[in-house]
Amino acid sequence: EADIYQTPRYLVIGTGKKITLECSQTMGHDKMYWYQQDPGMELHLIHYSYGVNSTEKGDLSSESTVSRIRTEHFPLTLESARPSHTSQYLCASSRRTNTGELFFGEGSRLTVL
Amino acid sequence: SQQGEEDPQALSIQEGENATMNCSYKTSINNLQWYRQNSGRGLVHLILIRSNEREKHSGRLRVTLDTSKKSSSLLITASRAADTASYFCATDARAGTALIFGKGTTLSVSS
Repeated sequence: EADIYQTPRYLVIGTGKKITLECSQTMGHDKMYWYQQDPGMELHLIHYSYGVNSTEKGDLSSESTVSRIRTEHFPLTLESARPSHTSQYLCASSRRTNTGELFFGEGSRLTVL
Repeated sequence: SQQGEEDPQALSIQEGENATMNCSYKTSINNLQWYRQNSGRGLVHLILIRSNEREKHSGRLRVTLDTSKKSSSLLITASRAADTASYFCATDARAGTALIFGKGTTLSVSS
């Protein structure tokens, strides 16, 4: 079982609110990722980090931002949530190797009313 | 950009039957991985096959890779109801780069 944790698991909020989705891993992995997944659909990479103070945008344009101040922590923030942000957000991590096997958290399902 | 495409999108079988899912990709890869996702949960890594490998086994799972056709298949033998889940292939274009996932195949195994 992967040691990567996401909170909250479920969140229902109103439009315009600021939210932060938390992701922490205890495996000492350098690489961390955020994927967005609509129900029954593929995963889209929205942010990734290869180490502390390193963050990059993924393939899918996102209005969210991320930070990587500590190796184990990779929070995702939406400054002003909109209904279009309703989705599941999956955090993952991997070792700094060439194989790139990902360990996923259980996900945060966000609903913006 | 979409790298992996799974086929079929949905598959329904009886317990004990074999399930085969296919994945096609567009560009050269470093390796290809298969993941499983139970409804509403995170993904779990199943198996990895490197670009210089053609076949790999893990328990009831068998993965093949044909780099000339840019395709892979995942075979689950003697399926069980607990195998009901979505299955995704994922590829990385270069070693150490982020994985790109396909759309997935939803497998339903009835007892």
